[in-house]
Amino acid sequence: EGKLVESGGGLVQPGGSLRLSCAASGFTFTMYWMTWVRQAPGKGLEWVAHIKEDGSEKYYADSVKGRFTVSRDNAKSSIYLQMNSLTAEDTAVYFCARARKYCPGGNCYHDYWGQGTLVSVSS
Amino acid sequence: QSVLTQPPSVSGAPGHRVTISCTGSSSNIGADYEVHWYQQFPGAAPKLLIYGDNLRPSGVPDRFSGSKSGTSASLAITGLRAEDEADYYCQSYDTNLGGSYVFGTGTKVTVL
Repeated sequence: EGKLVESGGGLVQPGGSLRLSCAASGFTFTMYWMTWVRQAPGKGLEWVAHIKEDGSEKYYADSVKGRFTVSRDNAKSSIYLQMNSLTAEDTAVYFCARARKYCPGGNCYHDYWGQGTLVSVSS
Repeated sequence: QSVLTQPPSVSGAPGHRVTISCTGSSSNIGADYEVHWYQQFPGAAPKLLIYGDNLRPSGVPDRFSGSKSGTSASLAITGLRAEDEADYYCQSYDTNLGGSYVFGTGTKVTVL
């Protein structure tokens, strides 16, 4: 049974930076695309980014492009989300999820999810 | 603002059937991209309920079923139970603006 555990959330001032981590276990990490999804308080889910098995391909939502960077360390079975130039609109619970199928093909879905980590952007 | 529209809420009595619609357009569902459904309880992570339009992961009861036609998809819950009270989201892919994964606006299911 796969397990994902996010960490690194917290309170940060507007314009600040934060790095989220997601540690995976219970499955062969190197075989899967991985995704970050966020959920603002009381709102719906929003896809943020995903990264290929070997880290060679990365895709971002327009709302975070140029400010966020997704990366992975397969030796540590972990993915990361470096978030810069944060604004109040980035306040959300950030989930990492395991993706199934080839994500650039448009049909990937997410079968394992972490419990999420809360990022609050406020002065 | 999501490109996949769901009703904000649906309700039904125990044992009854409810359906949740997910309305898209020619750039997402209508372009034959698959639709997936997630269930989310307050304060918890989403859980995969339906993938590939109408397939159930292992462990998901057959009371849950998915369908797709044209630019819309639906999730049906039959034999409604108190533990089905949760938020439900559809997910697909949209080709506009370079392409991105999109979630529906979400639907709150209330068991009366």
